[in-house]
Formats: sequence, C-alpha cells, structure tokens
Amino acid sequence: IAGITQAPTSQILAAGRRMTLRCTQDMRHNAMYWYRQDLGLGLRLIHYSNTAGTTGKGEVPDGYSVSRANTDDFPLTLASAVPSQTSVYFCASSVDGGATTDTQYFGPGTRLTVL
Amino acid sequence: GNSVTQMEGPVTLSEEAFLTINCTYTATGYPSLFWYVQYPGEGLQLLLKATKADDKGSNKGFEATYRKETTSFHLEKGSVQVSDSAVYFCALSGASGGGADGLTFGKGTHLIIQP
Repeated sequence: IAGITQAPTSQILAAGRRMTLRCTQDMRHNAMYWYRQDLGLGLRLIHYSNTAGTTGKGEVPDGYSVSRANTDDFPLTLASAVPSQTSVYFCASSVDGGATTDTQYFGPGTRLTVL
Repeated sequence: GNSVTQMEGPVTLSEEAFLTINCTYTATGYPSLFWYVQYPGEGLQLLLKATKADDKGSNKGFEATYRKETTSFHLEKGSVQVSDSAVYFCALSGASGGGADGLTFGKGTHLIIQP
C-alpha cells in the first residue's frame, strides 16, 4: 500500500515559470489537502477538496490553484512562481471531508526552490 | 480565528528524562486535537488525537489530555529515547463546525534527545 505519493521529490525553478506538483492517493479517501511548511511557521493550508469535483481555499491560497477531477489525484499548480513560494509542500488526505475527527495522512513532501 | 500555540524549541533532554511539550489553542466550537510527529526528511505522522473534552490520546508511551477548561493539549512522555528526536506539531480541526477545512497547526517543537 503506497498511501500518498508526491512528485517531484524536489525541484529548483526559475521565477515566473509554471509548475505543477502532483499528489496521488490509493486509499480512496474523499478529502485531500495541500499544505506548505516554512521554518518557524509550521504548516499552513493552501487548498482543500472535500470530494472529487469540489475545491476550497485555505489560509494561504494566493498564487496557487488546484483541481480534483477524480478521487485519487489532487495536483497543485503555481501559475507563475515567485521566490516567496520556496517551501516544502505536503499533500494529505482523510477518509471523510465532513468528519472533523478524521486523521489526515501525509505524503513525503516536495521541496521547491524558486530562484 | 483558530490558532494553536506550542512551546518553541529546540528542546534538548537526556535519554530517560520526562517530557512535556505545552500546547494551547484558541477556537470557537468543539475542535478535535492532534499531535503529529515529523522525523527528519519525512512527512508528518499522527502520534495521537482526542476528539472531545477530557479524552486522553495515547501512543508509543506518549499521552495528551484534552482540557477544555484550560484550552490545552500538552504532550507528555515518562521516559524519552534517542529515537524520539523529531519535530512535534500540535494541531486542531473542525472548530468552526465541520467540513474538510484542514488542520490548524502550531509552529512545531524540535525535540533533541541526547544519549
């Protein structure tokens, strides 16, 4: 059982370039999430999806977009990367988007550097 | 809005010492509370959780009790090991009434256990 996979593992990107971070889960979870982790700030929610076909904005959505065409995949796109988007990005999922007691399961992360 | 405050690190202890990592929260409604652990180079893993007041979560010798009267969820372990060295995050969910609106994290506490 792979759980959640993320790709790429790491990436160096020139400012202004477009980048899509991939996230796939094989647990058939309804809800998926994207967080960014920055030193001294913990993890902050970027976007989330309760179920396939729906998405919502988190705490820091500006400069990012997501789509949820099916249950398994939840890609995060940076349309025009800026240096402040240098961070470690984590994808997560949970069984039921309506159950706030659910555990979230995290992927291994993508380390993104924008120069 | 919701927020989580946890003690800043790094916290350095000797092996077999008693551990307490403080966590307090601000939220409306009735959140669920979580402790996640992040080992070097990895994603986050659930350590324990509590979903209602006075619940105690426990796992791997770690414990935390959901204290609504003091809005706290302090993490404790009676005898730490070198393998417990990691970053620990306190988090809450669902305070605003439900939905997959993600977790609100504290900034993380880096724990270092010396042999």
